[in-house]
Amino acid sequence: DAGITQSPRYKITETGRQVTLMCHQTWSHSYMFWYRQDLGHGLRLIYYSAAADITDKGEVPDGYVVSRSKTENFPLTLESATRSQTSVYFCACERTGESTDTQYFGPGTRLTVL
Amino acid sequence: RKEVEQDPGPFNVPEGATVAFNCTYSNSASQSFFWYRQDCRKEPKLLMSVYSSGNEDGRFTAQLNRASQYISLLIRDSKLSDSATYLCVVIPGTGNQFYFGTGTSLTVIP
Repeated sequence: DAGITQSPRYKITETGRQVTLMCHQTWSHSYMFWYRQDLGHGLRLIYYSAAADITDKGEVPDGYVVSRSKTENFPLTLESATRSQTSVYFCACERTGESTDTQYFGPGTRLTVL
Repeated sequence: RKEVEQDPGPFNVPEGATVAFNCTYSNSASQSFFWYRQDCRKEPKLLMSVYSSGNEDGRFTAQLNRASQYISLLIRDSKLSDSATYLCVVIPGTGNQFYFGTGTSLTVIP
């Protein structure tokens, strides 16, 4: 049971390039999320998706684009990467529990923008 | 004002000690609360949910104080393996957005 996988795990790119981070889940859960984690800010929500073809902005969406054509995939694209987008990116999906829902995270992608 | 605030620490405690972390939240309508654990360079993992009546899981106890709008995590008999960053998480009201604290760093010293 792979759960959530992310690729690539590490990426170095240059300012202005387009970068796509992939996220795949094996559970077919409806909700999926993209976060970035930076020192001093903790985890901040970039975008989330309630189902295929339904996406919505989070706290810090500027400079990012998402799509969700299939339930199991939720790619995040940086259209023109900037140095401020150097961060660790985590994808998560929400699993429904008996009394409450909670989120499970992928292993993360470490992105460096030079 | 941030949705969730935590003391970043670091907390350095000897093995066997008891340590407690608090986390305050700003939205009084918040419905769900969690503690996550994050090891260095790893993803956050759910440690435990926080229920209104308080709940315990082995050496870990989570409590909610709605009147003062904080949640707490108590770790008894600390182990070296407890060294990590502990993140509190709040779901404010309805909806599915999770708000994470910046985390509290714990190091358990031999």
